[in-house]
This record gives sequence, C-alpha cells and structure tokens, in this order.
Amino acid sequence: KNQVEQSPQSLIILEGKNCTLQCNYTVSPFSNLRWYKQDTGRGPVSLTIMTFSENTKSNGRYTATLDADTKQSSLHITASQLSDSASYICVVSPTNTGNQFYFGTGTSLTVIP
Amino acid sequence: GAVVSQHPSWVICKSGTSVKIECRSLDFQATTMFWYRQFPKQSLMLMATSNEGSKATYEQGVEKDKFLINHASLTLSTLTVTSAHPEDSSFYICSARRVFNTEAFFGQGTRLTVV
Repeated sequence: KNQVEQSPQSLIILEGKNCTLQCNYTVSPFSNLRWYKQDTGRGPVSLTIMTFSENTKSNGRYTATLDADTKQSSLHITASQLSDSASYICVVSPTNTGNQFYFGTGTSLTVIP
Repeated sequence: GAVVSQHPSWVICKSGTSVKIECRSLDFQATTMFWYRQFPKQSLMLMATSNEGSKATYEQGVEKDKFLINHASLTLSTLTVTSAHPEDSSFYICSARRVFNTEAFFGQGTRLTVV
C-alpha cells in the first residue's frame, strides 16, 4: 500500500533553534518527493522538490535530504523564525507526468520566542 | 512564478444553498486541476481531478452530484457545492498542473462554513 508517514506529528521549538522533520514513504515506483509549507488557513507552498537521483536540495534555511534506498526524506530548518510556524507536508509522486500524489499527514511546527 | 488563485477565500452560506468556488491559473495554462478538502489538523484529501474539456474523475466516496466540477478552460476550474449542509464545512484547496510538467501549484484555499 502506498503511504507517506511523517514525524513528529507536532513540534515546538524556540526561535533560533534548528529542527528536522521526517518523512518515510512506501510509494512505488518513485518519481519525486516534495516538501510543502502550509500556513494556517492558506494553501501549501512548495519548498523543495527532489527526484530519485538527488540526495539534497536547499531553499534558503530549508534543506531537504532524500535516501531513495531507505525511502526516507528529511527537512531541516536552520535558525528557525517565528514565521516558520506552519504545517509541513511531504508529498510523493510515483510518476513524472501522472496525476497521483500521495500526501503525508504533515508536521505542525510552532516556533516560540 | 506560477500563481493559482482561488475565489472566494472564505464564504458563509445557509444550509440548502449552493456555493461556487473558482480556481484560476493566472500565468500559465493548466490542463489538469485538482480539488482537495482539508479538515482541521489533517492533511489534504483529494476529491477529484479535472482535465480541461472533459469530465472530472472523482475519488471513491466523493459524490459527484454534490460536488460539481467544471474545467471549461485551461485557466479556470470551478467547484460547486450543491445543497450544502453543515458537514460540508471545510477548507477546500485547488491545485493546477502545467502542461507536461510535474509541478502542481496550490491556490490559497477557500474556507466554507455552512450554517
């Protein structure tokens, strides 16, 4: 069964600290994996997208890693800011042109001053 | 960049009435648009996939007669919630895919409250 699981479910960190969010998937075949940030009451915004051959990709303070062998991905946030408070969603696609997207349940991150 | 706009951002309606939500790709052509529903603290649930000029494909358990989807042009898809009930209250999000591109861009979402 194609699934995407994220951990932790929720996380609270102090402003300025780093954190790492995890995404494990069983989707097969695998084409690409995306991390999205979703602010409360808003639509998701893409942070990174990685294909099978990519191990890491950065977008500012966000760095995503991918291990296609173990089917694991992580999103590392450096020097967190209050504006990083949001839900972070991992999405896996089995094909490059198809319409299938498997969504993780998300990690709710709260950054406190 | 690729911008997807939803309208309205929020709407309150009475039970039994119908509500239309628009999803527009502002700066690109989208052959495929997706409609999702999201409950509080849960991830997005795909409701249906619509391709321009053809009937939408609904996910299992989604009533096509209740959630009418129209994708009449490459830049516009609409979701109409017919005979709305309080249990239809939710956050509805659309996304759009560029032609021959795997990236899907999301709208800002529409908060529907049925009273």
